[in-house]
Amino acid sequence: AQSVTQPDIHITVSEGASLELRCNYSYGATPYLFWYVQSPGQGLQLLLKYFSGDTLVQGIKGFEAEFKRSQSSFNLRKPSVHWSDAAEYFCAVGASNSGYSTLTFGKGTMLLVSP
Amino acid sequence: NAGVTQTPKFQVLKTGQSMTLQCAQDMNHEYMSWYRQDPGMGLRLIHYSVGAGITDQGEVPNGYNVSRSTTEDFPLRLLSAAPSQTSVYFCASSSLSGGAYNEQFFGPGTRLTVL
Repeated sequence: AQSVTQPDIHITVSEGASLELRCNYSYGATPYLFWYVQSPGQGLQLLLKYFSGDTLVQGIKGFEAEFKRSQSSFNLRKPSVHWSDAAEYFCAVGASNSGYSTLTFGKGTMLLVSP
Repeated sequence: NAGVTQTPKFQVLKTGQSMTLQCAQDMNHEYMSWYRQDPGMGLRLIHYSVGAGITDQGEVPNGYNVSRSTTEDFPLRLLSAAPSQTSVYFCASSSLSGGAYNEQFFGPGTRLTVL
């Protein structure tokens, strides 16, 4: 069975500073990998996804993530954080089952942005 | 497009009561799923469906029933609510066209409290 580990429960970053959120996954085959963001009281919104090809993927809101097979990692990055980025971030791995994918989520990382 | 809608937004139940959480999508998506979100646990898959008449269990199915009679609707039933089912419930849908790599779209959630 697949699993996702997000080692950081909370991260505080100063506005304008760079950000990296860590994600490690466990899956026996080539994974489908996703990052979602959840603002307070809201549903989840997809930031970016990866399955194959270029290991550096670009997403919405200036986020990017890099897939490293050797480290089983899919870390999320942003060069300059804005106060509006404060939210909870979830990494997820999809297990492919004959054309559809059930997602397993990490426990999330809460991002706090300080002025 | 309304996307994925969920009703109600909030619900308080007494132990042993039953209720149905409603989920509807207007994107003609084949795949629909229910997750529960608990603090520090991320999102966990309850049940999912890949089309009308087809449902399957996720990671935490006990205490929940689902059915899928139409493409648009995927209700989640609690037959006898327990305090352990206090949680925020999210419905999600995705297209299966093109395979398992597609984005899942999430509803705004239902916050359920069982006393």
